[in-house]
Amino acid sequence: EAQVTQNPRYLITVTGKKLTVTCSQNMNHEYMSWYRQDPGLGLRQIYYSMNVEVTDKGDVPEGYKVSRKEKRNFPLILESPSPNQTSLYFCASSFRQGMNTEAFFGQGTRLTVV
Amino acid sequence: LAKTTQPISMDSYEGQEVNITCSHNNIATNDYITWYQQFPSQGPRFIIQGYKTKVTNEVASLFIPADRKSSTLSLPRVSLSDTAVYYCLVGDRGYSTLTFGKGTMLLVSP
Repeated sequence: EAQVTQNPRYLITVTGKKLTVTCSQNMNHEYMSWYRQDPGLGLRQIYYSMNVEVTDKGDVPEGYKVSRKEKRNFPLILESPSPNQTSLYFCASSFRQGMNTEAFFGQGTRLTVV
Repeated sequence: LAKTTQPISMDSYEGQEVNITCSHNNIATNDYITWYQQFPSQGPRFIIQGYKTKVTNEVASLFIPADRKSSTLSLPRVSLSDTAVYYCLVGDRGYSTLTFGKGTMLLVSP
């Protein structure tokens, strides 16, 4: 089954404790991205990757890092999480970039930073 | 990027047909129209995409008039499980991000 898998689904952590949210896709997609969703602000892109070793900032990249060492994986790293990073995070993948390309989203990771 | 306007919310009853219209007056020649569905605390899911006229799949139909300045997502015979937020996206392959907007919250009642 074609899917994007995120882990963990839920995470509560303390300020400053480094964490990684993993994302993996099994569709051989070149394009992957991370979004966060907050009430009243909608979905906002954090980072994206057009291929292995190619990453770029989205609309809200501050406080986040990513890497793309393999085509299927695109982890999101919070080096020093802060409470304003409490949010619902989604990883997405697609064959290529573009508003006219079907994107597949993961189930989401609800992160709480206290 | 084409600005899209959708109703904030809509109400319906089970078994009815629901039509959600999206306005995109400044749509560009190469833009496609794509609709996503999102259930609470889940990732958006692609429903349908079209460029002009009518597109139908097993889930929905998409109607696009000749001037392409609007589009209508049609959900036949909705059920309670169709309660979700529906997003209309307009753009081409030149964008590195998907711009979702606020979407339309559809509430289906028994």
